[in-house]
Amino acid sequence: SQQGEEDPQALSIQEGENATMNCSYKTSINNLQWYRQNSGRGLVHLILIRSNEREKHSGRLRVTLDTSKKSSSLLITASRAADTASYFCATLNTGNQFYFGTGTSLTVIP
Amino acid sequence: DSGVTQTPKHLITATGQRVTLRCSPRSGDLSVYWYQQSLDQGLQFLIQYYNGEERAKGNILERFSAQQFPDLHSELNLSSLELGDSALYFCASSVGTISYNEQFFGPGTRLTVL
Repeated sequence: SQQGEEDPQALSIQEGENATMNCSYKTSINNLQWYRQNSGRGLVHLILIRSNEREKHSGRLRVTLDTSKKSSSLLITASRAADTASYFCATLNTGNQFYFGTGTSLTVIP
Repeated sequence: DSGVTQTPKHLITATGQRVTLRCSPRSGDLSVYWYQQSLDQGLQFLIQYYNGEERAKGNILERFSAQQFPDLHSELNLSSLELGDSALYFCASSVGTISYNEQFFGPGTRLTVL
């Protein structure tokens, strides 16, 4: 499978703590995106990082990309209960195929 | 609200039947994408259309087909339905093609095949 693998599968933290999720993929990519999904709802785009970028920030989100290791991480700082959701990485490979990872389920405890 | 609409919200049908899912992209978006989300397969990219033309194809079964109309809305047709086709089907849209743009997802259509 060319899907990305995310780690951990599930993460539970206290409000105010930082949450880190990792994504590994298998093929060369054009870009990598992170999405959030609240239970049973549509996905919401969080951030896109291109293959020639190494780090990107958006508000409380920080994404890194290491193409040599074929991995990315998403850091959510100062987490809030509203951040409780599943988080997916998605990769666009050089063959124009788009694959989602298996997702990390984040629970932020108030 | 992403601006992408999908109908119907829920669909319950029997094996062997055919259904059509409909998607209206955000105003101004030329690309439409279809995804299937199930517990065992996760999120699977099915197909992308850009301005009426098929642009990229993922894990779409031969029993499934899609099209994008001149008004840019799209339909996903699922035929000879099997129990395993039960899933959430999402449509997404973006301004350009898959390469550079974020996608905006609709709320999904939940298909149950009995």
